[in-house]
Amino acid sequence: NAGVTQTPKFQVLKTGQSMTLQCAQDMNHEYMSWYRQDPGMGLRLIHYSVGAGITDQGEVPNGYNVSRSTTEDFPLRLLSAAPSQTSVYFCASSHHLDTDTQYFGPGTRLTVL
Amino acid sequence: AQKVTQAQTEISVVEKEDVTLDCVYETRDTTYYLFWYKQPPSGELVFLIRRNSFDEQNEISGRYSWNFQKSTSSFNFTITASQVVDSAVYFCALSGEGAQKLVFGQGTRLTINP
Repeated sequence: NAGVTQTPKFQVLKTGQSMTLQCAQDMNHEYMSWYRQDPGMGLRLIHYSVGAGITDQGEVPNGYNVSRSTTEDFPLRLLSAAPSQTSVYFCASSHHLDTDTQYFGPGTRLTVL
Repeated sequence: AQKVTQAQTEISVVEKEDVTLDCVYETRDTTYYLFWYKQPPSGELVFLIRRNSFDEQNEISGRYSWNFQKSTSSFNFTITASQVVDSAVYFCALSGEGAQKLVFGQGTRLTINP
């Protein structure tokens, strides 16, 4: 198993540009989540999904969109990037029979100029 | 609302010393889960332990041990005989039932000096 994979590892955007951060898992996990990590603030939940076709907002959802068309993939879209979205983004997944342990991807470091 | 506080922003010790990382949490849920994650310099998040609110038994795994006390809402992490490889940022986290929503503390940066 590859576990949770994220692409790209690094990305630089200009203000106003759009992009999609990719997240995939091959463990047949129902639950997937996106977090952002900022210095001194730990990780904060952006959006999460309990299964294909179902998504919900976390603590800091503004400026981000998600969809879950398959169990394996959970992309995070930035429609119009802002410098405040400069952060490290982590995707996580967990199994519905073990919903309480999330396994994290390697992260994507995003810089918005 | 749920909240996790890791009051120690940075800790620096000499190798072989014991070190304890503090974690205090707030929740109104009767069922909840507590976690510790390690983030080494390479940046990934490594799961260390999960504890549910009904199990206050302390746990030991090699040089690592965890002390869960509901009376003080604390879930502290102790590394015995620290090693340079233990240098990392450590996060304490909390979730209610169904852990799609993890609430993290601010993290403690631990530096072990040779």
